[in-house]
Amino acid sequence: SQQGEEDPQALSIQEGENATMNCSYKTSINNLQWYRQNSGRGLVHLILIRSNEREKHSGRLRVTLDTSKKSSSLLITASRAADTASYFCAPLIYNQGGKLIFGQGTELSVKP
Amino acid sequence: DVKVTQSSRYLVKRTGEKVFLECVQDMDHENMFWYRQDPGLGLRLIYFSYDVKMKEKGDIPEGYSVSREKKERFSLILESASTNQTSMYLCASWGHLHGYTFGSGTRLTVV
Repeated sequence: SQQGEEDPQALSIQEGENATMNCSYKTSINNLQWYRQNSGRGLVHLILIRSNEREKHSGRLRVTLDTSKKSSSLLITASRAADTASYFCAPLIYNQGGKLIFGQGTELSVKP
Repeated sequence: DVKVTQSSRYLVKRTGEKVFLECVQDMDHENMFWYRQDPGLGLRLIYFSYDVKMKEKGDIPEGYSVSREKKERFSLILESASTNQTSMYLCASWGHLHGYTFGSGTRLTVV
């Protein structure tokens, strides 16, 4: 199965710093999505980047995609304590019917 | 506002009980999914469905079955609950228009 693998597994930073999380995958994809999960809750969709895009922005989020290296990164700028959560990437292949396979995620802790 | 609703946030069941976890979506999506999430293992796909009465095994289907009698409802069934099925269960639906939407999860404890 196509799975996203996040790195690092855990990241601890101070409020105001930037947080960078990385994702690698193995096969060709149609798009890649990033999700956030607060402790004990469901997943919330953050951003989607298509295979023909290299960079995308949404507020304080910046996502890059390098299909030649089969990798993506999520940058959160000027982090806040409320950004504390787990972050998951999920590569998507349309002919698998929208099936997303998630990695273990990056646990981000932003200290005030 | 599009929504995926899981009927219970918390559930406690006894070993050997038959357990039904319900999931309803209001987006007219064909595709629906059940995941479980465990510490250190991330999210793992149990079953998914592309249409009414259709189902496909995910990566860890053992001990589970599903039912999709109506498009908006996808039920996960634990035929005989065991303690190793204690977990957080997440339902999701997917469509080209809305993308992926997750429910808020059901935390199941089997005692």
